Amino acid sequence: DTEVTQTPKHLVMGMTNKKSLKCEQHMGHRAMYWYKQKAKKPPELMFVYSYEKLSINESVPSRFSPECPNSSLLNLHLHALQPEDSALYLCASSQATGYEQYFGPGTRLTVT
Amino acid sequence: AQRVTQPEKLLSVFKGAPVELKCNYSYSGSPELFWYVQYSRQRLQLLLRHISRESIKGFTADLNKGETSFHLKKPFAQEEDSAMYYCALNQGGSQGNLIFGKGTKLSVKP
Repeated sequence: DTEVTQTPKHLVMGMTNKKSLKCEQHMGHRAMYWYKQKAKKPPELMFVYSYEKLSINESVPSRFSPECPNSSLLNLHLHALQPEDSALYLCASSQATGYEQYFGPGTRLTVT
Repeated sequence: AQRVTQPEKLLSVFKGAPVELKCNYSYSGSPELFWYVQYSRQRLQLLLRHISRESIKGFTADLNKGETSFHLKKPFAQEEDSAMYYCALNQGGSQGNLIFGKGTKLSVKP
């Protein structure tokens, strides 16, 4: 399996909801990433996990909470989001930090 | 500060014409540079990495440390090359995160 998968593909949630995004890879990669991408903009890094430990948090609001249960899974827990959080959320993985990254298809999130 | 600059938001060429997408970077160490491509409604895909010096889909890119550039080139553009292209800098090591340029949208007309 040489792909990064993400579920769900689309998510619509209200500002009081709690939801989670899921990312999975079976390439044996030990680094995983969350990015946020607004329309017609480049991806912006949110979090980096290296060997299942959070190594980078790019000053992301606490309403976004990442979790890495094991080396193949990465979750992003969402709570009390704002409409401006609507975006495409991308997961990526790499052999280790510093290596080329492979991206999932993304979850398109709409906050109403 | 680390920075990646792609000066062209949009580049429009005719099929069969040469294409060059510009990328300049600012980085104090030894950079690792990549080109990623995002076709319409598809995931972001790795196109090229500078260390491998390979040619993918007819595209090549050479790292020029003197000019701090990593321009993407193809001698004969095809309509299927139309996509969004991002140049990215990997800080490497424990940092690991990619710094993306703002992207260039390539449009190849028939």
